[in-house]
Amino acid sequence: GEEVAQTPKHLVRGEGQKAKLYCAPIKGHSYVFWYQQVLKNEFKFLISFQNENVFDETGMPKERFSAKCLPNSPCSLEIQATKLEDSAVYFCASGRWVGDTGELFFGEGSRLTVL
Amino acid sequence: GENVEQHPSTLSVQEGDSAVIKCTYSDSASNYFPWYKQELGKGPQLIIDIRSNVGEKKDQRIAVTLNKTAKHFSLHITETQPEDSAVYFCAAKAYTGNQFYFGTGTSLTVIP
Repeated sequence: GEEVAQTPKHLVRGEGQKAKLYCAPIKGHSYVFWYQQVLKNEFKFLISFQNENVFDETGMPKERFSAKCLPNSPCSLEIQATKLEDSAVYFCASGRWVGDTGELFFGEGSRLTVL
Repeated sequence: GENVEQHPSTLSVQEGDSAVIKCTYSDSASNYFPWYKQELGKGPQLIIDIRSNVGEKKDQRIAVTLNKTAKHFSLHITETQPEDSAVYFCAAKAYTGNQFYFGTGTSLTVIP
């Protein structure tokens, strides 16, 4: 498609429950990024993929967060045993690089509320 | 790693006036600088970008300037309109990596 599609738009979980978010990147884009945005401020980088391979996972809280980008499937971000501080908007972005130039396009985000 | 600072954090202007948002970066390897506009409840939208081989780029009422020596770049919006009200984010990316480093955002309010 021509836009990054994220589902669900809103997700409510009780503390300790699992949350799973999905992202379909723009067709032809080989890079996918996940960001966490709290209080409409800074974007905290979580993980990036080049096709189905993890490119950079330095931002991931590895003990509870995991992510995948499998062929012919939406990418996913999963949080096991959610905590109150996981409440945030999670943005997926996709991009295509040609040499050193590339543009990053964001989805509308998935708002996770942990109660 | 790269550190991007953005100022001001909030900005109010009268409709028709100009708005300027400034960002500085620390890594001289950064060579791509996009600006995003985020409206309430929506995802960031790329509005303009600049690469380090140019000093200025314009698109209608929006312009971006880059000073590589001083490591700063700015977003200029002229003839502001109420629909320009949003949070604006700057970002920087280096040639050698695919990591984008974002500023902390500027909440722009255009007063009719």
